[in-house]
Amino acid sequence: DSGVTQTPKHLITATGQRVTLRCSPRSGDLSVYWYQQSLDQGLQFLIQYYNGEERAKGNILERFSAQQFPDLHSELNLSSLELGDSALYFCASSVAAAATDTQYFGPGTRLTVL
Amino acid sequence: AQKITQTQPGMFVQEKEAVTLDCTYDTSDPSYGLFWYKQPSSGEMIFLIYQGSYDQQNATEGRYSLNFQKARKSANLVISASQLGDSAMYFCAMREGRGFQKLVFGTGTRLLVSP
Repeated sequence: DSGVTQTPKHLITATGQRVTLRCSPRSGDLSVYWYQQSLDQGLQFLIQYYNGEERAKGNILERFSAQQFPDLHSELNLSSLELGDSALYFCASSVAAAATDTQYFGPGTRLTVL
Repeated sequence: AQKITQTQPGMFVQEKEAVTLDCTYDTSDPSYGLFWYKQPSSGEMIFLIYQGSYDQQNATEGRYSLNFQKARKSANLVISASQLGDSAMYFCAMREGRGFQKLVFGTGTRLLVSP
């Protein structure tokens, strides 16, 4: 158990819908990262927050947004869902944002868009 | 741009034997971190081992060790005394010291341990 929690574990929804994925980082970690894992794209970085502020953006679609709240939990919002958005979404956390900081991953949310 | 290459899509090993999973990387940043993660069939990503670019010694964590050859830009994972529970996907990842702090992952190697 990494100490990072993600809810829900599984999510099945239809095209055009909107969903929210939730992540609680390990106690004491200030950085939260979101990654998407799909069969064709592999593991892709989406976005990073550090202590409530957006720090870096990767291959995140405009239909996707995220935020980190004062209690440091984070939410990833996916809207106007398409079939291609079906993937495993991971949240990871680290103490800070240095290159040496290990990122610990949550169990992931498996999203299926029908 | 940073890049990670794992050239072995699949590896087979017998229980109790050692196995080496290859990883090469490319970066122009002198400061970086290298990580290995394990992803069992259940899907979670489990951190195994870390090596910093300035570390003088190879990292070790229990049965896992990292064969770090900086000049060759390789960071191979060595698993000693393989166990059935080691069967999983293994990902090598890198994080540069400057710019984005994201992890860049390789495509992974699927390891199967047979009795």
